[in-house]
Amino acid sequence: GAVVSQHPSWVICKSGTSVKIECRSLDFQATTMFWYRQFPKQSLMLMATSNEGSKATYEQGVEKDKFLINHASLTLSTLTVTSAHPEDSSFYICSARWTENSPLHFGNGTRLTVT
Amino acid sequence: GENVEQHPSTLSVQEGDSAVIKCTYSDSASNYFPWYKQELGKGPQLIIDIRSNVGEKKDQRIAVTLNKTAKHFSLHITETQPEDSAVYFCAASRGLMDTDKLIFGTGTRLQVFP
Repeated sequence: GAVVSQHPSWVICKSGTSVKIECRSLDFQATTMFWYRQFPKQSLMLMATSNEGSKATYEQGVEKDKFLINHASLTLSTLTVTSAHPEDSSFYICSARWTENSPLHFGNGTRLTVT
Repeated sequence: GENVEQHPSTLSVQEGDSAVIKCTYSDSASNYFPWYKQELGKGPQLIIDIRSNVGEKKDQRIAVTLNKTAKHFSLHITETQPEDSAVYFCAASRGLMDTDKLIFGTGTRLQVFP
């Protein structure tokens, strides 16, 4: 079945630094990937839609200059949290779909802690 | 926009009993309803989904029912096992080709006691 790999699984960084999270579709090509954010004991909130070869589409309230998304290939999308602050600490999860009419499959998430 | 409500927020059952989680949605144009299971520290895993042209779908111990008129759908787990313990999320969107607008419910923490 479709597998979405996310790396790293957890990261701790200092306030003011940047962190890059990778999302890979291992056995399929994903023209579109999605990035979600999840706070403890809360639901998933869509941050942005990552489109291969074009700019990401951000949801209302998500700062595009803070959360940089790059979808350089059909199997890789990256999310970079720039100038991270403690309030950016969260669980970030990517997802992808195999084809345009297939379900979303999620990665295992990245727990970011900003100290 | 779409709003998905999910109940209950927590559910405790004895092993072997059934568990039912209910969701309601607001957008009558929604026609795709997946359910995800999330274990601690992991990403959500798709367990079953249903489209609006179907009223019920079953996969072994898991079933989902959909009432389009009432705009609600439910997850049914029979013969629950301790490994079913997790957080379950329902979601809704206007279609598989519009999964970028997948709206999630608030989640249900299911605990199955041996």
